[in-house]
Amino acid sequence: EADIYQTPRYLVIGTGKKITLECSQTMGHDKMYWYQQDPGMELHLIHYSYGVNSTEKGDLSSESTVSRIRTEHFPLTLESARPSHTSQYLCASSEGSYSNQPQHFGDGTRLSIL
Amino acid sequence: DQQVKQNSPSLSVQEGRISILNCDYTNSMFDYFLWYKKYPAEGPTFLISISSIKDKNEDGRFTVFLNKSAKHLSLHIVPSQPGDSAVYFCAATSSGSARQLTFGSGTQLTVLP
Repeated sequence: EADIYQTPRYLVIGTGKKITLECSQTMGHDKMYWYQQDPGMELHLIHYSYGVNSTEKGDLSSESTVSRIRTEHFPLTLESARPSHTSQYLCASSEGSYSNQPQHFGDGTRLSIL
Repeated sequence: DQQVKQNSPSLSVQEGRISILNCDYTNSMFDYFLWYKKYPAEGPTFLISISSIKDKNEDGRFTVFLNKSAKHLSLHIVPSQPGDSAVYFCAATSSGSARQLTFGSGTQLTVLP
């Protein structure tokens, strides 16, 4: 069973607030990812990291930012939330640089911006 | 431009029968394919995968078939059980993409008792 945790599970907050979505994993995985998913749609990669101090933007443009100061922690921040940021955010991790190891997902944060 | 397509948003199957979920892709560079299962209010869970050097991979009740010439893969579940009711996502990756996953939009499988 994968040990990857996301908090909060649900967040309803007003426009203009600063938000940080937390993601932690206890498996020592080097690779971590953030996906955004709207209902009935595919998961879109918005950020990924291959290790400490390494972060890259994914295929889907996002106004969010990420940091990777510790291997186990990969938080996502929105400096000023807008209604267009309403979505589900999923964090994942995987091991191995060249192997086809599957990604393990957290249970997600469902974010609603009023 | 969606590179991984799951054209059936939903599928209903009777318990004990076979469930067949389909997935098509357009990027010929994809060389590894995965299926994930997702229950409501949970994250996706890895189910089964297949490399492009194979055309079939089996794990218990789950079998994935890959047809490279048609750029098509399918997931067979036999026999289907009510606990299999979930959204199933197909995903693909290539060595050239640093193993990033491209997902389909999912198929909601409902297994009727």
